[in-house]
Amino acid sequence: QQPVQSPQAVILREGEDAVINCSSSKALYSVHWYRQKHGEAPVFLMILLKGGEQKGHDKISASFNEKKQQSSLYLTASQLSYSGTYFCGTEAGANNLFFGTGTRLTVIP
Amino acid sequence: EADIYQTPRYLVIGTGKKITLECSQTMGHDKMYWYQQDPGMELHLIHYSYGVNSTEKGDLSSESTVSRIRTEHFPLTLESARPSHTSQYLCASGGQGASGYTFGSGTRLTVV
Repeated sequence: QQPVQSPQAVILREGEDAVINCSSSKALYSVHWYRQKHGEAPVFLMILLKGGEQKGHDKISASFNEKKQQSSLYLTASQLSYSGTYFCGTEAGANNLFFGTGTRLTVIP
Repeated sequence: EADIYQTPRYLVIGTGKKITLECSQTMGHDKMYWYQQDPGMELHLIHYSYGVNSTEKGDLSSESTVSRIRTEHFPLTLESARPSHTSQYLCASGGQGASGYTFGSGTRLTVV
């Protein structure tokens, strides 16, 4: 039930954009996105509850394609503070969240 | 301030010892969860609870047990610790409606 994320790792220079993808083999009820910095707990970024939904705040946004059972996280004009590991979490009707394999994002000056 | 607390933050313990990892939240959430995470790896659900006296095992088989006698408290117990239990244990609550999960700071457990 674990979703698959791509890419596994990405290095960006400040100001560059990135896209992180999350795919599931099961029909999804919702998709969560979290960021975890080294040695810290995951922090909730946003949740998408229905197909076609798009959300965002600051320069981080996400979309949810229900039919394709996938979601994408978009980071625009990246900042140093964006560095960390990004996890998607998917709910496939069981009301429990299964986390993806993670994408390690490093932003360099 | 509403939050979720885990203690201890770090624990080094000998093989065969019994340990309890504490988790408490002040947000009044019914749903609580325990995840296991090895360094740099994904999070695996080991236990969850939807309310008082409700506990279930997650997708990752674990020799630990949990209890939920009070809404705010969700401790995890290992009856006999082994080196294979060495990992980080993260407690979380929430997940109702449009809200995400709030995670505790985690307990980094080392069994020697």
